[in-house]
Amino acid sequence: QKEVEQDPGPLSVPEGAIVSLNCTYSNSAFQYFMWYRQYSRKGPELLMYTYSSGNKEDGRFTAQVDKSSKYISLFIRDSQPSDSATYLCAMGRNQGGKLIFGQGTELSVKP
Amino acid sequence: DTAVSQTPKYLVTQMGNDKSIKCEQNLGHDTMYWYKQDSKKFLKIMFSYNNKELIINETVPNRFSPKSPDKAHLNLHINSLELGDSAVYFCASSQANGRGGNYNEQFFGPGTRLTVL
Repeated sequence: QKEVEQDPGPLSVPEGAIVSLNCTYSNSAFQYFMWYRQYSRKGPELLMYTYSSGNKEDGRFTAQVDKSSKYISLFIRDSQPSDSATYLCAMGRNQGGKLIFGQGTELSVKP
Repeated sequence: DTAVSQTPKYLVTQMGNDKSIKCEQNLGHDTMYWYKQDSKKFLKIMFSYNNKELIINETVPNRFSPKSPDKAHLNLHINSLELGDSAVYFCASSQANGRGGNYNEQFFGPGTRLTVL
């Protein structure tokens, strides 16, 4: 069993839809939870970052962490074609800087 | 103003060859990383250096040898290339290595697509 599980998709939605992306994990030592966005043939870039449990909102994006369930989510409201990318969840403990990534979910937003 | 740059962008080579990938960051960061992303987009850390000191060394064949001549550069040399080494290799950097309880964003380079024939 992988430390971080993420459905690879692909996920296809119409423009304007609400998108929900999720990851589960097994290591309760994780304290830092991130979502990276990776466009085709590019490097990942940090989209959202949350420490411990709770919600964080940034524009159309909301990240949620539920440590009791070992479950994290990313919601995208009013999705746009420019949101089409692979979304990778990543997690880290409080030392060492090592990140464990999920497999990534490929999202396509159709005009 | 490329923050993290890698060369080459594409690398096609034969099995058994030795090749190097270079990485440079101009962000003034202390820590640099090498990641491997396979064909299923699974991104896995290989190595991490902090101020030229190796701090993370995952279970990677010893055919892979990272070298950090200074804190702005981290190169990856691969000996005796195998078919399974075909992947995209990403370099990344961050301000700190996470020690002391702080996490700092990792900035990724554009990747080097390695194909071993």
